[in-house]
Amino acid sequence: QLVLTQSPSASASLGASVKLTCTLSSGHSSYAIAWHQQQPEKGPRYLMKLNSDGSHSKGDGIPDRFSGSSSGAERYLTISSLQSEDEADYYCQTWGTGLVVFGGGTKLTVL
Amino acid sequence: QVQLQESGPGLVKPSQTLSLTCTVSGGSISSGGYYWSWIRQHPGKGLEWIGYIYYSGSTYYNPSLKSRVTISVDTSKNQFSLKLSSVTAADTAVYYCARGQEGWGQGTLVTVSS
Repeated sequence: QLVLTQSPSASASLGASVKLTCTLSSGHSSYAIAWHQQQPEKGPRYLMKLNSDGSHSKGDGIPDRFSGSSSGAERYLTISSLQSEDEADYYCQTWGTGLVVFGGGTKLTVL
Repeated sequence: QVQLQESGPGLVKPSQTLSLTCTVSGGSISSGGYYWSWIRQHPGKGLEWIGYIYYSGSTYYNPSLKSRVTISVDTSKNQFSLKLSSVTAADTAVYYCARGQEGWGQGTLVTVSS
């Protein structure tokens, strides 16, 4: 069964870096994912598509502070030079034939 | 840049059918390579995939909602639509339309209440 697992919460200080993790279920380590950001009271915004080899393609206007990487079944979103507007929920998403799956989301608090 | 906009009633009575339309601008829904999704978010909760349709008309639905969901496409209007039947209060949510993984509509709140 295709499942994405995310930690419910994370926190980091203003100006620091943070690495969020999305873990693919067993047998699905080759899957690409997408990362989305949802700021408070707003709709989701596409950040990037992240492949199993770590290559990624970002959405229009996404700052260089956002990057992605992969290791095995883990997919990472790193945000550097944290800003207050980065405080948001971050969701990973994957897809298969006839199926789309979202992780439960990580709430990022910028201290 | 492709933009998506949801439209439809914001209030639906229990047992009735929820109907929403997503209008696509800045690109053709008929261009291949994309699937067109409906996703919802219950208040204070995460994202739930409802289903998607290819421009060809092939559809795929979340198994948990499959018996109540119909997604259709109208290429002449560059729109795709969602119908969710027999709604209850548990269907109260913000409903989003999306293109593939990349494009999101702004979302529309649908409340199920008498």
